[in-house]
Amino acid sequence: GESVGLHLPTLSVQEGDNSIINCAYSNSASDYFIWYKQESGKGPQFIIDIRSNMDKRQGQRVTVLLNKTVKHLSLQIAATQPGDSAVYFCAEGGANNLFFGTGTRLTVIP
Amino acid sequence: EAGVAQSPRYKIIEKRQSVAFWCNPISGHATLYWYQQILGQGPKLLIQFQNNGVVDDSQLPKDRFSAERLKGVDSTLKIQPAKLEDSAVYLCASSFRATGLSYTFGSGTRLTVV
Repeated sequence: GESVGLHLPTLSVQEGDNSIINCAYSNSASDYFIWYKQESGKGPQFIIDIRSNMDKRQGQRVTVLLNKTVKHLSLQIAATQPGDSAVYFCAEGGANNLFFGTGTRLTVIP
Repeated sequence: EAGVAQSPRYKIIEKRQSVAFWCNPISGHATLYWYQQILGQGPKLLIQFQNNGVVDDSQLPKDRFSAERLKGVDSTLKIQPAKLEDSAVYLCASSFRATGLSYTFGSGTRLTVV
């Protein structure tokens, strides 16, 4: 079955530094991948997605990289801010729904 | 646009009791999902509706969990009887299309079974 995992459960960065959150996936047939941010007491919030036929996509302060050769996904956050502190999930999607990984807790140190 | 509404926000029950959660999706969203999120884990799909029909309930423990979306809008998820391992956050999400690219999640209901 599908398996989505993360390399590190926690990540601490200084405010203003760049953050990189990594994710490994196992289903090479997934059509798309999504990064979500979840703050305490809230539901996951969409950050950025990338289709399987792409290897890079940029948003506002965020970049997602997809390496299908090694089944690896990463989220880069530029100039990390205290408001970026949250748990970040990668999810892989197929025909109907998403499979989520365990998550990485990002803590931004002021 | 209003988000996905869920209630209650918190619920504490004793094991073997029953509980129900309610979800009102974003207006016009035909697809509705219920996810279970155990502390420290990612959300896991329980059931997916397309309008008032079930698309996928393969991960729903049907001996104790049930869900309905009778008029293709609001949905309820019920657990009867609850077990300790059901303690989790139950998230509702909706999307305009039946793919994951346009999900919007509600804030969830945190269930504690004691």
